[in-house]
Amino acid sequence: EAQVTQNPRYLITVTGKKLTVTCSQNMNHEYMSWYRQDPGLGLRQIYYSMNVEVTDKGDVPEGYKVSRKEKRNFPLILESPSPNQTSLYFCASSSNNSPLHFGNGTRLTVT
Amino acid sequence: AQSVTQPDIHITVSEGASLELRCNYSYGATPYLFWYVQSPGQGLQLLLKYFSGDTLVQGIKGFEAEFKRSQSSFNLRKPSVHWSDAAEYFCAVGGAWLGNTGKLIFGQGTTLQVKP
Repeated sequence: EAQVTQNPRYLITVTGKKLTVTCSQNMNHEYMSWYRQDPGLGLRQIYYSMNVEVTDKGDVPEGYKVSRKEKRNFPLILESPSPNQTSLYFCASSSNNSPLHFGNGTRLTVT
Repeated sequence: AQSVTQPDIHITVSEGASLELRCNYSYGATPYLFWYVQSPGQGLQLLLKYFSGDTLVQGIKGFEAEFKRSQSSFNLRKPSVHWSDAAEYFCAVGGAWLGNTGKLIFGQGTTLQVKP
């Protein structure tokens, strides 16, 4: 089954403790991205990757890092999480002229 | 500036009634338009998309949307709403994938509540 898999689904952490949210897709898609969803703001792009070893900032990249060492994986790294990064995070992938396929989301709480 | 506006934050309709969710966009190039639905605790599922051609597009679950370039709109419709349609709906706009970020710009979302 074609899917985008994120882990974990829920995560509670404390300010400053580094964390990684994993994302993997099995569709051989070139394009992957991370979004955060906040009430009243919709989804905003954090980072995106057009292919292996090619990443770039989206609209709200501050406080986040990503890497794309393999085509299928695109982890999101929070080196020093802060409470304003409490949000619902979605990973997505796509290929040329195909819509974004989304994962089921990771709900992160930073206290 | 590129943007998507969904004027209705919350809509309540009776089961069996018709539905229209509004979406207006501002985009400098030829837009690719999408509607996604998000059920509680779930990811976003694509309902339908418009890339080119016929401006009335059919999607899954009985939804359709009409692209009106002159009005910069892409409203979502359904003739008869079912209780299972209660969810949050997002309109999104993007550009050509090739040579582009492939980024989608999302509206703020419209929450649909269905009354029995």
